[in-house]
This record gives sequence, C-alpha cells and structure tokens, in this order.
Amino acid sequence: AQTVTQSQPEMSVQEAETVTLSCTYDTSESDYYLFWYKQPPSRQMILVIRQEAYKQQNATENRFSVNFQKAAKSFSLKISDSQLGDAAMYFCAYRGPNTGNQFYFGTGTSLTVIP
Amino acid sequence: KAGVTQTPRYLIKTRGQQVTLSCSPISGHRSVSWYQQTPGQGLQFLFEYFSETQRNKGNFPGRFSGRQFSNSRSEMNVSTLELGDSALYLCASGPALSGDTQYFGPGTRLTVL
Repeated sequence: AQTVTQSQPEMSVQEAETVTLSCTYDTSESDYYLFWYKQPPSRQMILVIRQEAYKQQNATENRFSVNFQKAAKSFSLKISDSQLGDAAMYFCAYRGPNTGNQFYFGTGTSLTVIP
Repeated sequence: KAGVTQTPRYLIKTRGQQVTLSCSPISGHRSVSWYQQTPGQGLQFLFEYFSETQRNKGNFPGRFSGRQFSNSRSEMNVSTLELGDSALYLCASGPALSGDTQYFGPGTRLTVL
C-alpha cells in the first residue's frame, strides 16, 4: 500500500498571508497522480488541485499552487492571499494505475485562518 | 451539471441491524468509489465499481458489500452493524478508472447505537 504523510496536524495563517502545507508519499510507481482536497466543516470533500507525476510543471489554480518534487516524493500546497473561507481540513491524496486506482489519503492538516 | 448525491445524509441504527446507503454519480461518470472516514482511522477505501463490476476492494470485512447499477448509481450495504461502523461514508465518482479526478458527494453520517 502507498503511504501518504502529512506531518502538520494543524496550521494557522493570518488572513491575506501565505501558508504552505506539506505532504510526502512513498511509491515505487513512476506514473501516478497527486491531489489536494479540502474538507470544510460541512464535510464535503472539494478538489483543490491535481498534479500528474509525468508533468514537471507545478500545477496552479488561482491562489493555490503546488511544489512537486518527484525525486524527493514531496507535494506541498501553497495558499496565497489566504481567506477566511480557506479554513478547513486539507488532505493530500495519491492515486496510481497500478495500485487499484484508489485514493491513498494522508491524515490531514487542519488550517485555521486568523482574521 | 449536478454533483454527486448521497442518500440519506444522516442515519441512526442500532447494533445488529443492516443499512443501505445510496450514491448517484455525476452524469456520465462510470466509476464510483466508497470511503469510510473516522476520527481514528482517517479515510479508508472500501471499494470501487466501474460499469457494474467491482474492480477493487479495500481491507474491510465481508459485512461491507456494494453494487453498481446500469445507470452507474451505486449502493453499499453494511450488515450486522457494530458500534465501530459509526462513520462518515463518502462516495466519489469519476469518468474512468485511471488517474482522473474523482468528485465526492456530501457523505452519509451513520451512527450506530
């Protein structure tokens, strides 16, 4: 089974500031996909950003960007200009074609945004 | 396009009963996966269905079962409920099997008393 590690159980950021959430993973596959999902108090899992391992360019979605380091098996999420609505639990997830295509999730990072 | 819907949203059962949860994927999506989320174990994969066939199964006892219909709607069933089955059950749908983003429903909160 693949292992996804989020070493920061809780993080906080001032509104309008930038925060980076860390994620590392373990795999022997060369082709796979990485995701960040956000789960606000409503419990609905919302896709934040997706990265394909064969693409060297880091994915970006508006204020959200990733730093994908394939050799280091690291996939961090940067949130710029943090907003109150960004407060949520953030999960890093791995999905690979040779590992049943299921998501392997990290344990999550709870992000608090301070007004 | 409507999102993934799950019914019911909340459910209270007693030990020993059985329960059926339903998931309707996004129109056109043929892959449906189920996950169990608990504070202690986090998010754990239950099973995945594609075109009415179970393609992958997680490490759960046989009390957990599922199926997918020809319209891609899926149900999961838990028999002989135990207290430890109390959890948020999430369904996710995607266009195909490999690599595509999956979109999650709002979940069904199951409480076993």
